[in-house]
Amino acid sequence: GEDVEQSLFLSVREGDSSVINCTYTDSSSTYLYWYKQEPGAGLQLLTYIFSNMDMKQDQRLTVLLNKKDKHLSLRIADTQTGDSAIYFCAERPMDSSYKLIFGSGTRLLVRP
Amino acid sequence: DTAVSQTPKYLVTQMGNDKSIKCEQNLGHDTMYWYKQDSKKFLKIMFSYNNKELIINETVPNRFSPKSPDKAHLNLHINSLELGDSAVYFCASSQVAGQGDVGYGYTFGSGTRLTVV
Repeated sequence: GEDVEQSLFLSVREGDSSVINCTYTDSSSTYLYWYKQEPGAGLQLLTYIFSNMDMKQDQRLTVLLNKKDKHLSLRIADTQTGDSAIYFCAERPMDSSYKLIFGSGTRLLVRP
Repeated sequence: DTAVSQTPKYLVTQMGNDKSIKCEQNLGHDTMYWYKQDSKKFLKIMFSYNNKELIINETVPNRFSPKSPDKAHLNLHINSLELGDSAVYFCASSQVAGQGDVGYGYTFGSGTRLTVV
């Protein structure tokens, strides 16, 4: 089945690390993604990870993938107020449809 | 600017009307999508076209009809609008064929906020 779940809300202090978690159900997923949506804007691709990797780092962002538990996380180091947004994880199942299945989004609030 | 652009950005209309939303991408991508985002921010795919051919048609009322005149354009026409159609509609594109598919995911437009009154 296709289902991607995220916690709805996360609040952190500026300068702390944020960890946003996601679980997915389709073990055939080839790629997993993190998108950021700021108010009134479209979704912006932050990073992605191929399913044969377990970690990817890109500047302040670290993605961890636990394929056995079907768990994906996004860690943002030194979180800034500009990081406040909704973060969506998405999976791409290995079928012919090319579609992405999105989670419900985690709203990150960074307090000064 | 290379981008996915949608028009209009805002659309307010009465129940029963027919309206269209246009989408264009100049990224050279071969696949385009329409997603609907409801008031709880949940994103659900509606349609996908690959090189002008319909490849995804999720459970969407047949009042919604996509049209892709070429691979750079995907328009969405909605007949007999209902209150429940109020949402933000996002167009997106990606490159899925051949060497271009390196997992970069979609590029999204900035959305069209549709309000049916």
